[in-house]
Amino acid sequence: EAQVTQNPRYLITVTGKKLTVTCSQNMNHEYMSWYRQDPGLGLRQIYYSMNVEVTDKGDVPEGYKVSRKEKRNFPLILESPSPNQTSLYFCASSLDGGRYEQYFGPGTRLTVT
Amino acid sequence: DQQVKQNSPSLSVQEGRISILNCDYTNSMFDYFLWYKKYPAEGPTFLISISSIKDKNEDGRFTVFLNKSAKHLSLHIVPSQPGDSAVYFCAASDSGTYKYIFGTGTRLKVLA
Repeated sequence: EAQVTQNPRYLITVTGKKLTVTCSQNMNHEYMSWYRQDPGLGLRQIYYSMNVEVTDKGDVPEGYKVSRKEKRNFPLILESPSPNQTSLYFCASSLDGGRYEQYFGPGTRLTVT
Repeated sequence: DQQVKQNSPSLSVQEGRISILNCDYTNSMFDYFLWYKKYPAEGPTFLISISSIKDKNEDGRFTVFLNKSAKHLSLHIVPSQPGDSAVYFCAASDSGTYKYIFGTGTRLKVLA
């Protein structure tokens, strides 16, 4: 089954404790992306990757890091989480960027206290 | 500055009637537009898209209209069904930058 998986689905952590949210896709997609969803703000793009080892900033990259060492995986790293990063996070992938629909993972709800 | 706006946070429609969801954008470089549907506790799922070279695209009960001069697009759902109740996001991309900009979403409720 074609899918995007994220882990963990729920995470409660404390300020400053480094964490990684994993994302994996099995569709051989070139493009992968991370979004956060906040009330009244919709979905905002954090980082995206056009291919292995090629990443770029979205609209809200501050406080986040990403890497794309393999085509299928695109982890999101919060080196020193803060309460304003409490949000619902989605990973997505598509055949290519810009002109293709994205397939989204189920989401990761992160709470930083 | 919100480049993609969905000015109606919510919309209620009777089953069988037409639902019209609207989206406005400001960046004239956007050349591809998409609509996604999102149910609670799930990720968004793709509904329909349109290229800037077209003004209409249909897929079953869903039609997207694009008015480039007004920088406006709309999603029509006919007939609306209770299972269409969800949050709908419009998104825009400039294919040269690989970025996607989403609107804030419209919550559609279809009443049986």
